[in-house]
Amino acid sequence: GAGVSQSPSNKVTEKGKDVELRCDPISGHTALYWYRQSLGQGLEFLIYFQGNSAPDKSGLPSDRFSAERTGGSVSTLTIQRTQQEDSAVYLCATGGRDTQYFGPGTRLTVL
Amino acid sequence: RKEVEQDPGPFNVPEGATVAFNCTYSNSASQSFFWYRQDCRKEPKLLMSVYSSGNEDGRFTAQLNRASQYISLLIRDSKLSDSATYLCVVNPNTGKLIFGQGTTLQVKP
Repeated sequence: GAGVSQSPSNKVTEKGKDVELRCDPISGHTALYWYRQSLGQGLEFLIYFQGNSAPDKSGLPSDRFSAERTGGSVSTLTIQRTQQEDSAVYLCATGGRDTQYFGPGTRLTVL
Repeated sequence: RKEVEQDPGPFNVPEGATVAFNCTYSNSASQSFFWYRQDCRKEPKLLMSVYSSGNEDGRFTAQLNRASQYISLLIRDSKLSDSATYLCVVNPNTGKLIFGQGTTLQVKP
């Protein structure tokens, strides 16, 4: 497709379960970002991939969070042992240095 | 101090009004600046870049003041459809963009 896609669009899980969120970037975009946004709050940076460089993981809130980007394309964000405070919309963005195109997000609800 | 600061609002204005938002940033080495728009329960989308000389796109005017490290967005003749959250975004040349918390605008009939 022409834009950034994310799946699933909604995920409801039980506390303590692991979840995996997927991002399909715009073809050719070397930069990929993950953010999360809690209800009524701003964007919280999580992790940034740029080409083959080591990812910038400085925004990951705990070691329960990890992300991979395979072959410089699809990325997955994994949250282990989910907690209720992980409930948020997780947004993926791709683009160049100056412009980011966001996917529609995955709304995660941890019960 | 946050790297990018905005007044969260909300700004409630009548249709046709002119409204201005300001944003300040802390990193003087920042090179490029943007305004993004986020509609309720939607993803952010680029509204416009902000250039040193100031730039205009229809009813929207963006200004940059490097000396004072602030950015502004002016919306003239507000429409109902302008209701959204406006995110001030700064590129501090670290490889990632820094987003402000956003300013909420509600245009009333």
